[in-house]
Amino acid sequence: GEDVEQSLFLSVREGDSSVINCTYTDSSSTYLYWYKQEPGAGLQLLTYIFSNMDMKQDQRLTVLLNKKDKHLSLRIADTQTGDSAIYFCAETADNTGGFKTIFGAGTRLFVKA
Amino acid sequence: GAGVSQSPSNKVTEKGKDVELRCDPISGHTALYWYRQSLGQGLEFLIYFQGNSAPDKSGLPSDRFSAERTGGSVSTLTIQRTQQEDSAVYLCASSRQSTGELFFGEGSRLTVL
Repeated sequence: GEDVEQSLFLSVREGDSSVINCTYTDSSSTYLYWYKQEPGAGLQLLTYIFSNMDMKQDQRLTVLLNKKDKHLSLRIADTQTGDSAIYFCAETADNTGGFKTIFGAGTRLFVKA
Repeated sequence: GAGVSQSPSNKVTEKGKDVELRCDPISGHTALYWYRQSLGQGLEFLIYFQGNSAPDKSGLPSDRFSAERTGGSVSTLTIQRTQQEDSAVYLCASSRQSTGELFFGEGSRLTVL
């Protein structure tokens, strides 16, 4: 079945780059997402990549996809204290007429001033 | 409203009681998802609806859990004979079928004493 795995914690210093990694199992995934959950708030979409892309850049965010290894990463350049949150990797595959989205356990990012 | 609305936001109940959680998705969104987030855990997929039908119920933890959706809009998640391990935040999300991007509600926090 589908499974998404990611490390649980990451700690970086303000100004450094953060790299959050994720592996997934469903080779039929059509979309791969990164969601952000700030303390006490709901999840919000941060960025996404189609499965036929290798890389997507959006301001400080860079998403890399290695489809052969089913590996997805999120790089945050010049990490700020406001980036402290839980980051969820998710894969979406067309499933019986609809899109089923499976999430990883989330990586808690700590940014030290 | 503009976003996904969930109620109640907080529910405290006694072990053995039944609870109903409600989700009002974004108008026009055909897909609706229920997830469970336990303390320190990731997002556990429960069920998703495409219109009024539920193609995938595989995530429901036991037969005490059920969900329905009527009129392609509002959904209700029912937990019968609640147990302490049911305590969690229950998140609802909706999406347009074509994109798969999920829009989350604020969640319903359930505490079973």
